[in-house]
Amino acid sequence: GEDVEQSLFLSVREGDSSVINCTYTDSSSTYLYWYKQEPGAGLQLLTYIFSNMDMKQDQRLTVLLNKKDKHLSLRIADTQTGDSAIYFCAESKGYSTLTFGKGTMLLVSP
Amino acid sequence: GAVVSQHPSWVICKSGTSVKIECRSLDFQATTMFWYRQFPKQSLMLMATSNEGSKATYEQGVEKDKFLINHASLTLSTLTVTSAHPEDSSFYICSAQLRQDYGYTFGSGTRLTVV
Repeated sequence: GEDVEQSLFLSVREGDSSVINCTYTDSSSTYLYWYKQEPGAGLQLLTYIFSNMDMKQDQRLTVLLNKKDKHLSLRIADTQTGDSAIYFCAESKGYSTLTFGKGTMLLVSP
Repeated sequence: GAVVSQHPSWVICKSGTSVKIECRSLDFQATTMFWYRQFPKQSLMLMATSNEGSKATYEQGVEKDKFLINHASLTLSTLTVTSAHPEDSSFYICSAQLRQDYGYTFGSGTRLTVV
């Protein structure tokens, strides 16, 4: 079945850039998402990218997609302590359910 | 736009009782809603897909009689945990999608604790 994998933990210093990586196996994935989950809260959609795009930028967030390698990354510029959270990568094929990765815990230290 | 409201945000109940969780799409109609469960230190697990006006589609291993889903209108889906037991204690999250090119919007989640 489909699989989405991401590293479980990332630690950076405040002000640095963070890069969270994700790989997926389903080549028919149409949409790829990044969600942020803060402790005890639901998932917040950060951004998403269509599979026919290579890059998407939204303020401090940059998403890069390498469709050939089935690799997705999320770069957070000027990382702040408030960015500390779990980041989930997910994929879908349009109007269908999501397949999530297990999540990457980002810890930002002052 | 595309706000999903989930209530309650947390609930504590006794073993053997039933608990209902509501998921509402506030500013859009959702013919399909999804119910997830999050186990500690794990990603979300899809429990079932709720379809307005028809029976829900349950994922393998999810007990239909225990987790009753009703999607009676285009803006409301409910998940009822029947005869709850401590092992049902978890974080339950619903989601819906505004349209095909829009990401999924999640509710804020419900923390269920069964004592």
